[in-house]
Amino acid sequence: NAGVMQNPRHLVRRRGQEARLRCSPMKGHSHVYWYRQLPEEGLKFMVYLQKENIIDESGMPKERFSAEFPKEGPSILRIQQVVRGDSAAYFCASSPRDLGETQYFGPGTRLLVL
Amino acid sequence: GDSVTQMEGPVTLSEEAFLTINCTYTATGYPSLFWYVQYPGEGLQLLLKATKADDKGSNKGFEATYRKETTSFHLEKGSVQVSDSAVYFCALSDNQGGKLIFGQGTELSVKP
Repeated sequence: NAGVMQNPRHLVRRRGQEARLRCSPMKGHSHVYWYRQLPEEGLKFMVYLQKENIIDESGMPKERFSAEFPKEGPSILRIQQVVRGDSAAYFCASSPRDLGETQYFGPGTRLLVL
Repeated sequence: GDSVTQMEGPVTLSEEAFLTINCTYTATGYPSLFWYVQYPGEGLQLLLKATKADDKGSNKGFEATYRKETTSFHLEKGSVQVSDSAVYFCALSDNQGGKLIFGQGTELSVKP
């Protein structure tokens, strides 16, 4: 059973470009979470999605960031017009259900904005 | 809101030493508690968890007990190895929305 997959593993963008980060949850998991890890900091929750629904986006910046989890295909975290402060590791996690179920993390995408 | 506080690192130990990493939490409900480990350049791996008061999670020689009276979930290991060198994160899940709230992480370095 393959684990959570994220791609790309590393992404370099110039200021003003768009970044698209992809996450394929574990087989049978319908809940996806995105977290951001800034340098020398812990992980911060961004958004929680189920298929075709955003359940909790309380951790998402109000502008430039969006997320989706379509009926078919991976979950996408999209960052428009990136700035240097967006440089971080972005981790996706999946679980079969919410309510305290274990979340399984992907290897992360490390975004560097030049 | 809910929060998790960990002891600051880095923690440096000699091989076979005893490890304690303190973790305390603040939560309005009855959260589940987790320890995750992150090796350099990798994602987080679940180390252990506990879902209710007085539960003890254990894995690979690591243990942590859910103490509701002291709102703590300290991580312990009796004899660390060089391969245990990593960053350890304590986290809680509020069992309502499912999101994890993490502590700031504690870097452990074990020397031979």
